[in-house]
Amino acid sequence: SSTLTQPPSVSVSAGQTARITCSGHAVPNHYAHWYQQKPGQAPVVVIYKDNERPSGIPERFSGSTSGTTVTLTISGVQAEDEADYYCQSDDSSGSWMFGGGTKLTVL
Amino acid sequence: EVQLVQSGAEVKKPGESLKISCLGSADTFPKYWIGWVRQMPGGGLEWMGIVYTDDSDARYNPSFEGHITISADRSLSIAYLQLNSLKASDTATYYCARRGDYGIYFDSWGQGTQVTVSS
Repeated sequence: SSTLTQPPSVSVSAGQTARITCSGHAVPNHYAHWYQQKPGQAPVVVIYKDNERPSGIPERFSGSTSGTTVTLTISGVQAEDEADYYCQSDDSSGSWMFGGGTKLTVL
Repeated sequence: EVQLVQSGAEVKKPGESLKISCLGSADTFPKYWIGWVRQMPGGGLEWMGIVYTDDSDARYNPSFEGHITISADRSLSIAYLQLNSLKASDTATYYCARRGDYGIYFDSWGQGTQVTVSS
């Protein structure tokens, strides 16, 4: 089955730009989506279809794709953005999958 | 705003079965897919499967097939996750979530149901 690979952790100073990557063979042919999960809370979608932002999600969240890698970019990171971030996609068999998650630490 | 309300926390013994519910609303439940996601303590998100609320057509992650049953009752706007022959390794938080309008992703999530399996 397909897998999605994320770095376990990313650290960035407040006000700087955070980039979280997600790699997988299914990426070029299937949309990727991103979720934010804070401790004790359910995940929330912050980017869908590679680069679409749901209503209510700040403009500092954006998504991009290149080859087998998709990237979540958070510009001007704020303390409240500290959370776990998961990418998610699907494969040709109809299965969905999540990346292993990335813990974003705001210094 | 879409709301999915899940049943409460459960404590079970190994070998028992469990059915978790996910309640939607009449205007947001029909003709949607509802999925289930497992999150083990300190772990990441795992897609378990998904069910179409109108006809209970269910698709499963092969890793969970045979151990779970996913179903839906359209008239009650409820989706269910049944876990069979529970083991300690089934201890986790289980989320239901609704597939989004614009693709294969979840646009709304339940609050999660904590399941503890212990003798």
